[in-house]
Amino acid sequence: DGGITQSPKYLFRKEGQNVTLSCEQNLNHDAMYWYRQDPGQGLRLIYYSQIVNDFQKGDIAEGYSVSREKKESFPLTVTSAQKNPTAFYLCASSISSGASNQPQHFGDGTRLSIL
Amino acid sequence: AQRVTQPEKLLSVFKGAPVELKCNYSYSGSPELFWYVQYSRQRLQLLLRHISRESIKGFTADLNKGETSFHLKKPFAQEEDSAMYYCALKRGSNYKLTFGKGTLLTVNP
Repeated sequence: DGGITQSPKYLFRKEGQNVTLSCEQNLNHDAMYWYRQDPGQGLRLIYYSQIVNDFQKGDIAEGYSVSREKKESFPLTVTSAQKNPTAFYLCASSISSGASNQPQHFGDGTRLSIL
Repeated sequence: AQRVTQPEKLLSVFKGAPVELKCNYSYSGSPELFWYVQYSRQRLQLLLRHISRESIKGFTADLNKGETSFHLKKPFAQEEDSAMYYCALKRGSNYKLTFGKGTLLTVNP
């Protein structure tokens, strides 16, 4: 199903290279998020954005950067400063409103590996 | 600090048996808790939220503030319930979620 589209599905990075993971949503959600999923670690928040042109660091932001120039798009760049980038990356979005308990909707993920 | 603990990495039951996936949290404010599920080859999706007091696919979860728990229960497990389950805590007035490390449930025939 649509909603949130992450691309590519698989990505390989060479040493010293920056790579960008794409996340697009057509749910008209204001808030978007990036998580990293490692075996046995659950999901850890990298960055999040509550509104266009604004974003905040999550729990493990070092070595990553984001931008939010459009409501629909929240790309994540894994920089060469991220020394252990091999992981599964999940993008999510949610309604940003005064109402609480709004769920997050997730994409299919991108698996990043080091060459 | 906010924390979500799922003490069981793996849980295996037989079809028709009751199942309980444990979740404990620590948070100084008023918590909002969720259960997310990830079936094989599917994306992570919301299963239920405590504030709705709903039953989804036969699962229920009650928030126990005294014990700081939000355990997920189902009286009769089905094979299609086999999946990874994550408990998540919403932190305050922003939109961030803290996830537990997950429990992999296997329901055997």
